Amino acid sequence: LAKTTQPISMDSYEGQEVNITCSHNNIATNDYITWYQQFPSQGPRFIIQGYKTKVTNEVASLFIPADRKSSTLSLPRVSLSDTAVYYCLVGAGPWGKLQFGAGTQVVVTP
Amino acid sequence: NAGVTQTPKFRILKIGQSMTLQCTQDMNHNYMYWYRQDPGMGLKLIYYSVGAGITDKGEVPNGYNVSRSTTEDFPLRLELAAPSQTSVYFCASSLSGGAPDTQYFGPGTRLTVL
Repeated sequence: LAKTTQPISMDSYEGQEVNITCSHNNIATNDYITWYQQFPSQGPRFIIQGYKTKVTNEVASLFIPADRKSSTLSLPRVSLSDTAVYYCLVGAGPWGKLQFGAGTQVVVTP
Repeated sequence: NAGVTQTPKFRILKIGQSMTLQCTQDMNHNYMYWYRQDPGMGLKLIYYSVGAGITDKGEVPNGYNVSRSTTEDFPLRLELAAPSQTSVYFCASSLSGGAPDTQYFGPGTRLTVL
């Protein structure tokens, strides 16, 4: 199983772009990269998932370089409501085997 | 769809008491999971199920039991509650067992054992 490393915390101001990098040097050929967001007192919520290159949805973008040894979650123009913990999971499954680490605490201030 | 629902939202137990945490999903998902999350930590898998009648242990199963008699429901039973079981419990479900599918999580049950 791929081991992931992501920053413990990041601070940002409203309106800025936040980029969270996740390192996963031993990613396997079949592994996907999945990001979840968790607000206090709520369950994790799926944000975005990708295999290679770039994926974009209405919430975020995910950049994956050619070697796939890292990935970057990009949150454009964050607001106070983006304050949450963000988890990077790498693997093809089964879901129960993929580790939710401590995640990255993003704090957005006015 | 309501997605994944959990009851109760909060519960306080005394040491030695038992209780069942309820989890229901209305997405016809085959896979269901129970996680616990301690303060400042990630989620740890307690039990999971790949379909009705089939369950298996996760990383931290001691002190818990599960059953899966229907596709929709996956209750978690705590026997002889201990302070170490004070945590937030999340139920999740997924259509398949891995990527590119994703998991859907419930709102959680906050349990305190005193």
